[in-house]
Amino acid sequence: KAGVTQTPRYLIKTRGQQVTLSCSPISGHRSVSWYQQTPGQGLQFLFEYFSETQRNKGNFPGRFSGRQFSNSRSEMNVSTLELGDSALYLCASSSATANTGELFFGEGSRLTVL
Amino acid sequence: AQSVTQLGSHVSVSEGALVLLRCNYSSSVPPYLFWYVQYPNQGLQLLLKYTSAATLVKGINGFEAEFKKSETSFHLTKPSAHMSDAAEYFCAVSDLNFGNEKLTFGTGTRLTIIP
Repeated sequence: KAGVTQTPRYLIKTRGQQVTLSCSPISGHRSVSWYQQTPGQGLQFLFEYFSETQRNKGNFPGRFSGRQFSNSRSEMNVSTLELGDSALYLCASSSATANTGELFFGEGSRLTVL
Repeated sequence: AQSVTQLGSHVSVSEGALVLLRCNYSSSVPPYLFWYVQYPNQGLQLLLKYTSAATLVKGINGFEAEFKKSETSFHLTKPSAHMSDAAEYFCAVSDLNFGNEKLTFGTGTRLTIIP
């Protein structure tokens, strides 16, 4: 069974640009969550999608957005990039029906903003 | 709000020695607790989880953790450290009781193994 796949793995952008990150969950998983990881703030929850609906959102500005498609694949977008957006962005999926709270993480997309 | 606190951002142990990584939780309801490990340039991998069954939970790679309600703790242990255990470890609590899949993570503990 393939794991969670995130693309791209690495990318470099400049301030003011926008970026789109993609996540393909484990087959059969309908919940996809996104986390931002930085040395200063640690792991912070961005948002969670289930069946194409955002169920939960963290405390991030509106520049951070996401969506989920009918096949459960998800994308997140960051507009008007700032230097502080440099981070590892992790996607996680779960079955949401197994009721264990266990998340399966991808390897992340490392974003560098110059 | 639920939260976890990891005591010690860096822990160093000698190869073959006991590993003890500390985690305390705060929750208004019986929590679901997890330990994840992160190797360099990789995502997070689940080590073990507590979901209100047995209080002593065994995970992968020889790790285990004990849920102690009286101490609000969920410390991670391994009897004998191996060089391959060098990584960052995160304790997390789930909001599953509130109907969603959000995890709240601790700040992490970087484990160094001394040869």
